[in-house]
Amino acid sequence: EPEVTQTPSHQVTQMGQEVILRCVPISNHLYFYWYRQILGQKVEFLVSFYNNEISEKSEIFDDQFSVERPDGSNFTLKIRSTKLEDSAMYFCASKGLRDNEQFFGPGTRLTVL
Amino acid sequence: GDSVTQMEGPVTLSEEAFLTINCTYTATGYPSLFWYVQYPGEGLQLLLKATKADDKGSNKGFEATYRKETTSFHLEKGSVQVSDSAVYFCALSERSNDYKLSFGAGTTVTVRA
Repeated sequence: EPEVTQTPSHQVTQMGQEVILRCVPISNHLYFYWYRQILGQKVEFLVSFYNNEISEKSEIFDDQFSVERPDGSNFTLKIRSTKLEDSAMYFCASKGLRDNEQFFGPGTRLTVL
Repeated sequence: GDSVTQMEGPVTLSEEAFLTINCTYTATGYPSLFWYVQYPGEGLQLLLKATKADDKGSNKGFEATYRKETTSFHLEKGSVQVSDSAVYFCALSERSNDYKLSFGAGTTVTVRA
């Protein structure tokens, strides 16, 4: 069964450093999303991406964040200068054109020291 | 904007007990409704969904009915097992905002043998 994959599973970085989180969505999907979950809290929407552009973003997704689909298969989330409060689990999800179900990856745990 | 309110946890039950987790929503349009489950140390898995009023989603013995008149989507299971111990998230999405998911706070369920 096709699945969403994410790498790395765990990323540790120093405050102020750039990180790139990678996702490979399901191959025929057209909608892509990033969510985050701070430990013990609810899952929060960050950004949606469709037709090669951002279609919606939350107030969390400020100028320090960016997304890219560089090669038609990967979908990346970049944080330019990480802060302590960026420590969280980051989930990628994708959705096909017809169904309204999003499929989630296993997540990347980001720890900012 | 869209929002989801679900029953605060944690909930602790004995095996074979009846489980219900309340979920109500606020939406600008006509949303699809979901229950996601997160087992310890894992990502998000879709448990069940409903896309229109009076639809009943069901999976693994869990059920939830889309009640438009009460804007609710309560999750129920008649006889829980230890393996049902997890965090349960109610969520909604709307076509008007590219199907981004708005999640409730999550309810931690622990089932004891």
